[in-house]
Amino acid sequence: NAGVTQTPKFRVLKTGQSMTLLCAQDMNHEYMYWYRQDPGMGLRLIHYSVGEGTTAKGEVPDGYNVSRLKKQNFLLGLESAAPSQTSVYFCASKLSAGEQFFGPGTRLTVL
Amino acid sequence: AQSVTQLGSHVSVSEGALVLLRCNYSSSVPPYLFWYVQYPNQGLQLLLKYTSAATLVKGINGFEAEFKKSETSFHLTKPSAHMSDAAEYFCAVTSKGAGSYQLTFGKGTKLSVIP
Repeated sequence: NAGVTQTPKFRVLKTGQSMTLLCAQDMNHEYMYWYRQDPGMGLRLIHYSVGEGTTAKGEVPDGYNVSRLKKQNFLLGLESAAPSQTSVYFCASKLSAGEQFFGPGTRLTVL
Repeated sequence: AQSVTQLGSHVSVSEGALVLLRCNYSSSVPPYLFWYVQYPNQGLQLLLKYTSAATLVKGINGFEAEFKKSETSFHLTKPSAHMSDAAEYFCAVTSKGAGSYQLTFGKGTKLSVIP
């Protein structure tokens, strides 16, 4: 099992550009999550999904969109990137109970 | 609503000394509690979890934590620090019965181990 994988690992964007981050899991987990990690802030939940075709907002959803068209994939989109979105993004997944399993992260810089 | 407070953003210990990382939580319903570790440039890895069974929970790498309801605490300890324990540690809480099982994280404690 690969567990949770994230693509890409690094990305540099210019202000106003768009991009999509891909998260994939091969554990047949129902729940998937997108977080951002900033120094001294811990992890903050952006959006999450409780199953294929469903998404919901987390703590800091503004400027991001998500889609869960397939159970194993959870996409995070930035429509018009801003410097404030410079961060490390983590995807996680879990079954209905139990711990979340995290991907290795995507480091995004917006210039 | 739930929240987590980790006391001390940075803790330094000598190799071989006791490690104590503090976590206090608030939750309106009985919680599940977790400690995760993050090594540099990596994702988060579960150290241990409390899910209402034994209040003293043992995890990987010699770490353990004790759930104290009266103190709303879930402090992480290890009797003897090793250089490889240097990392950032996150405490997190989620609530039983919450449909989304959202985790709320503390801001993290960076552990340094001095040779």
